[in-house]
Amino acid sequence: RKEVEQDPGPFNVPEGATVAFNCTYSNSASQSFFWYRQDCRKEPKLLMSVYSSGNEDGRFTAQLNRASQYISLLIRDSKLSDSATYLCVVKAGGYQKVTFGTGTKLQVIP
Amino acid sequence: DTAVSQTPKYLVTQMGNDKSIKCEQNLGHDTMYWYKQDSKKFLKIMFSYNNKELIINETVPNRFSPKSPDKAHLNLHINSLELGDSAVYFCASSQEQEYEPQHFGDGTRLSIL
Repeated sequence: RKEVEQDPGPFNVPEGATVAFNCTYSNSASQSFFWYRQDCRKEPKLLMSVYSSGNEDGRFTAQLNRASQYISLLIRDSKLSDSATYLCVVKAGGYQKVTFGTGTKLQVIP
Repeated sequence: DTAVSQTPKYLVTQMGNDKSIKCEQNLGHDTMYWYKQDSKKFLKIMFSYNNKELIINETVPNRFSPKSPDKAHLNLHINSLELGDSAVYFCASSQEQEYEPQHFGDGTRLSIL
């Protein structure tokens, strides 16, 4: 089993739709979690951290389920500009070893 | 006022050559990283340095040698370049407290001819 797993997609959704991505992780000692966004041929950029109680930033909501070892990202009212690859990131262990998922590609269609 | 900057942005060179990529961060972070993103888009950690000390050294050929002269800089030297080294190399930095995310440079696109 991979340390961090994501459905690679692509998810093709119409503008205005709601879309959700899940990410599972195998290391129960994982301590902190993030969602990053990566546009084609660009660097990954932090979208949001994921807190135990869940958190929201505008149209984006992140949730953490420690018991089932997954995190989720919900995007409401999708915009064309949301088209990108969304990377799940997990930090664990001494000196906070960081593991990236393989990413989920989202394409928002007019 | 770029936070994490890497040079060069593009590097095209021949097999067998030796090349270096430089990275600098002005965020005051303690930890710096090198990642490799290959054609399949998988982002894989190569090295991590904390206050100039090597912390993480994943299974990377010893042709790759990182060097951190101070905590704001982490350079990557690659000897005897091979075709399989073609990839995008990203530098990143972070603080080590819980919930502190990584900040990435905009990548070095290495192409081996």
